[in-house]
Amino acid sequence: ETGVTQTPRHLVMGMTNKKSLKCEQHLGHNAMYWYKQSAKKPLELMFVYNFKEQTENNSVPSRFSPECPNSSHLFLHLHTLQPEDSALYLCASSQVVSGNSYNEQFFGPGTRLTVL
Amino acid sequence: QKEVEQNSGPLSVPEGAIASLNCTYSDRGSQSFFWYRQYSGKSPELIMSIYSNGDKEDGRFTAQLNKASQYVSLLIRDSQPSDSATYLCAVGPTGGFKTIFGAGTRLFVKA
Repeated sequence: ETGVTQTPRHLVMGMTNKKSLKCEQHLGHNAMYWYKQSAKKPLELMFVYNFKEQTENNSVPSRFSPECPNSSHLFLHLHTLQPEDSALYLCASSQVVSGNSYNEQFFGPGTRLTVL
Repeated sequence: QKEVEQNSGPLSVPEGAIASLNCTYSDRGSQSFFWYRQYSGKSPELIMSIYSNGDKEDGRFTAQLNKASQYVSLLIRDSQPSDSATYLCAVGPTGGFKTIFGAGTRLFVKA
């Protein structure tokens, strides 16, 4: 248990559905991340939030919409996804200190998403 | 050129042997380096971080960093079957939040 929780753990959705993934961190960290992990491919950074402000958007399609209401919660809203979006979606958090990059990230268990 | 390169494996070692996992990176300005372990069906777990040249030891794990050669490695001594997993090398930039992950090396420890 890393102190980062994600719900749901598994999600099956059709291409016309709208769903949301939720992440919560109990570590007092100031940065939160969404990653996509597909089979045989490296982890792909999708979004980064630092103190609730989005600092990275890694050219992610608009059918993925992040929301960070506070530094402990992160959502990923999904709509009109494609079958190739099926993957493991991982949330992570870290404590970032200004002026250094000692960015140890702690991951949640992930949401296994299947798009039919 | 991939930003962080790892041999995909699988790397197979007998129980009790030393497993050596290697990683190279392209950004010469990188400042932070991490090794994560990921069991099948699970999320990555941070096992080592290293920030300066040389060796860093933690139990059976030793991380080695050579910034001049842009090379980082992980040694696992007295390998156990429970060490069988995919090991991800990750490299952080000079400041900022964008950590780049390698595709991982699968390690199999034979009992």
